[in-house]
This record gives sequence, C-alpha cells and structure tokens, in this order.
Amino acid sequence: AQKITQTQPGMFVQEKEAVTLDCTYDTSDPSYGLFWYKQPSSGEMIFLIYQGSYDQQNATEGRYSLNFQKARKSANLVISASQLGDSAMYFCAMRGLSSGSARQLTFGSGTQLTVLP
Amino acid sequence: NAGVTQTPKFQVLKTGQSMTLQCAQDMNHNSMYWYRQDPGMGLRLIYYSASEGTTDKGEVPNGYNVSRLNKREFSLRLESAAPSQTSVYFCASQVGLAGGPGDTQYFGPGTRLTVL
Repeated sequence: AQKITQTQPGMFVQEKEAVTLDCTYDTSDPSYGLFWYKQPSSGEMIFLIYQGSYDQQNATEGRYSLNFQKARKSANLVISASQLGDSAMYFCAMRGLSSGSARQLTFGSGTQLTVLP
Repeated sequence: NAGVTQTPKFQVLKTGQSMTLQCAQDMNHNSMYWYRQDPGMGLRLIYYSASEGTTDKGEVPNGYNVSRLNKREFSLRLESAAPSQTSVYFCASQVGLAGGPGDTQYFGPGTRLTVL
C-alpha cells in the first residue's frame, strides 16, 4: 500500500519569498515516482514536477524544485520567488513503478498556499 | 490539441437518477483514469483503463461503472446516484503504465456533480 502525508493544511508566504511545502510518503515498492500538482481556484490539476526514486539529482522546473530525501521518505516542493499566481492548492502524489504494482497515483490531502502581497 | 476534455462541467441530479460522464483525450495515450475529489481531500481513484479494452477497479469503485469506448474515450456511469456521490470528478490520461518522466498523468477540467 502507498500513503502520502501532507501535514500543512495551509501555508502563507510573502510575495518574492521562497516557500517549502512538505510531503512524506510510505511505500513498499522499491521503484516509484513522486509528483507535485497545482490546483488553482479554477479547479484544474496542473502538473508541476516529477522525481524518480532512482534519480541521482533533485528535480527542478523553473521556480519549482523538489527536495528529495529518500532515507527520510520526504519529497518537499520548494517554490522560489513566490508570485501572487502561485496561490493555489498543492498536491503531492506518488506511483509505484515496479512490474506488478498498481501503477495508480496516490494523492495526499493537499496544502493550500496563499501568497501575500 | 485539446488535451483531456470532460463533459458536462456541472450537473445536478436527484437521488436515484443515472448519468454518464464523458471523457476524451487527443494525446494518443494508452491509459485513462477516473478520480473523485471530495472537499479537503486529495483525489481518489475510482476506475482506470490500462489500455483499450481493459478496465480495473481503483480505491473507491462502488456505485460506478466505466466503459473504454475506444482509445480516446473513457466514460463513467452512475446507475443510481446517491448524495454520497456529490463530488468533483476528474478524468486523466497517461502514455502507459510504465513509469518515467514521460508518463505524467494529465487531467481534464473536472465535472462538478451534486446529488440532491
């Protein structure tokens, strides 16, 4: 079974500052992928960043980076230079990649980020 | 490319009514998924289709049926709607079951369903 835990229901950050959104996971699958999605108030799910469990380097996509600590089973999202448009709900998700695993995405409960002007 | 499209965007049903949510993707993806999102929760998988002609249950399949009509289309049917099925429903597609950066799931805009 897979489980994603996001312990921060809500976060506030000042515009132009960096913010870290926490995500811890649990899985028995030796090979897995970790994803972050953004859901603005309009409701759509927007893919942000992906990290594979065997990737040697932390993933980065523009202002988004993933602080992956495999031993701690954490995959925190770091947003640098926050913008007002970053205000949204953020979901951490994972999927087992081994043959025989369910291959479905398991989501956390989300963190509501509010960027203050 | 429209990506993943869903119809309708909004729907109100009475208890016991039936309806079908439609989903289509134009990315030539093999795998398609149906999720529901309840307030304060992440998405939970209802059903998925690894490839054309196959469907499998997810975490919360009770009360739903699905049809993978062809490679592009994957529909979700509520045979007898219940208030507990009030939720936002998302369809998603993915290249295939294999992992890797290319196998991100892409989501449709969602359907807001209310069952009275």
